[in-house]
Amino acid sequence: QVQLVESGGGVVQPGRSLRLSCAASGFTFSRYGMHWVRQAPGKGLEWVAIIWSDGNNKYYGDSVKGRFTISRDNSKDTLYLEMNSLRAEDTAVYYCARDRMVSLIRYFDLWGRGTLVTVSS
Amino acid sequence: SSELTQDPAVSVALGQTVRVTCQGDSLRSYYATWYQQKPGQAPILVIYGKNNRPSWIPDRFSGSASGNTAFLTITGAQAEDEADYYCSSRDINGNHYVFGTGTKVTVL
Repeated sequence: QVQLVESGGGVVQPGRSLRLSCAASGFTFSRYGMHWVRQAPGKGLEWVAIIWSDGNNKYYGDSVKGRFTISRDNSKDTLYLEMNSLRAEDTAVYYCARDRMVSLIRYFDLWGRGTLVTVSS
Repeated sequence: SSELTQDPAVSVALGQTVRVTCQGDSLRSYYATWYQQKPGQAPILVIYGKNNRPSWIPDRFSGSASGNTAFLTITGAQAEDEADYYCSSRDINGNHYVFGTGTKVTVL
């Protein structure tokens, strides 16, 4: 079954760190770039970061650059998001999503169900 | 960074046609992708590229574009199409991505 399953969310105090994981199954994980996308409660979707299939290129949204680190372990079919210096405005459901490119058109073709991160004292 | 603007909400009578718009400078360079999100669920892909649908999306959904605007059209809207719809594209610099502000579609 082709799927992505996020884990690692929870309640964390401002300024602390948290690591999210996204386990992939049913497809060859190492062939795909992967994204993190988040959604604050009652708000829209916000792109967070992308890592290319080989892990050599990573790009971040302006609101998380310098605080969050995306990484992957292709031997474990797992994507990660290390979140440091967390702020209240980082409170959101975090989704991992698979990157698909067809004829130079790139999009997210597979999404996980998300994991909730709440930053609160 | 780029921005994609959508109308906050639109409504459509059951069986009628509704068009959702997405406007932004990045759409002059990149196709929009459309996602549907129902309450409490993850987004799902609806339209990608010029006008391509995944196999699980019914053919009443279609996409088009003109200049800096992309359109998602639902022809013969059904009750199950009631959801939030988000457009997305690559950013002007090509390595980042941006989502639209989202449109809530209500089927009356």
